[in-house]
Amino acid sequence: GIQVEQSPPDLILQEGANSTLRCNFSDSVNNLQWFHQNPWGQLINLFYIPSGTKQNGRLSATTVATERYSLLYISSSQTTDSGVYFCAVDGRETSGSRLTFGEGTQLTVNP
Amino acid sequence: KAGVTQTPRYLIKTRGQQVTLSCSPISGHRSVSWYQQTPGQGLQFLFEYFSETQRNKGNFPGRFSGRQFSNSRSEMNVSTLELGDSALYLCASSLTEGPYEQYFGPGTRLTVT
Repeated sequence: GIQVEQSPPDLILQEGANSTLRCNFSDSVNNLQWFHQNPWGQLINLFYIPSGTKQNGRLSATTVATERYSLLYISSSQTTDSGVYFCAVDGRETSGSRLTFGEGTQLTVNP
Repeated sequence: KAGVTQTPRYLIKTRGQQVTLSCSPISGHRSVSWYQQTPGQGLQFLFEYFSETQRNKGNFPGRFSGRQFSNSRSEMNVSTLELGDSALYLCASSLTEGPYEQYFGPGTRLTVT
C-alpha cells in the first residue's frame, strides 16, 4: 500500500516564528488532507489539497502531485497552533475512500 | 450544520466483553469510515460504508465489524475485547463514496481492562 512520511517528527518554535511541515507519499493520490489534532483527539480539517496551493489565514499548503509531496506552511505561529499535524492520503489504487495517515508532526509553540 | 457525532465519548470495558460504537455523519453525507488510533500504530483505517454496504476494509481481525443504516448512521462492533483494543476510535463522513474530503467526529476513547 501507499506509504506516507512526515517530517520533522517534532518541532519547537517561539511564538511568531514561521514553519514548514512536509509530507512525502510513495504513489499517486486521489486525495490529500492536512489535519490538526486537538488535545481532545479530534481531527480538525485544515486543507483538502490533492494538488495545487491553498491558503487559509496564517496557514497555507502546497501539493506537488507529480513529485509526490505536500507542504504545510504556518506563519506567525501562536501557542494555539500547538498539537499534532497529520497528512493523510487516499491512493489511486483503491476504490472508495481509504485514508493512509503519516505519523504526524508534533508542534510546540512556546510563548 | 452539525458535525459528525460519536457516542459514547468514553467507554471502559473488560477483556472478553464486546462493545458497540455509534457514529452519525454530517447531514447529507452518505459515506462513513472508521479509524483506530493507538500510540504504537498511529491512525489506521478500519472500514468504509456507503449505501449500507462495506466498500473497503482495513487489515483488522474479524472481531471488528460494522454496519450502516439507511439513514447513513453507522455502528462498529468489537467482540471478545483484548487489551490491545484500547484506542481512540474515530469516525469520518464524506459526501459520497470516493476520494472526497473527510470530516472527523470527536472520537470514542475505549479502555479495555
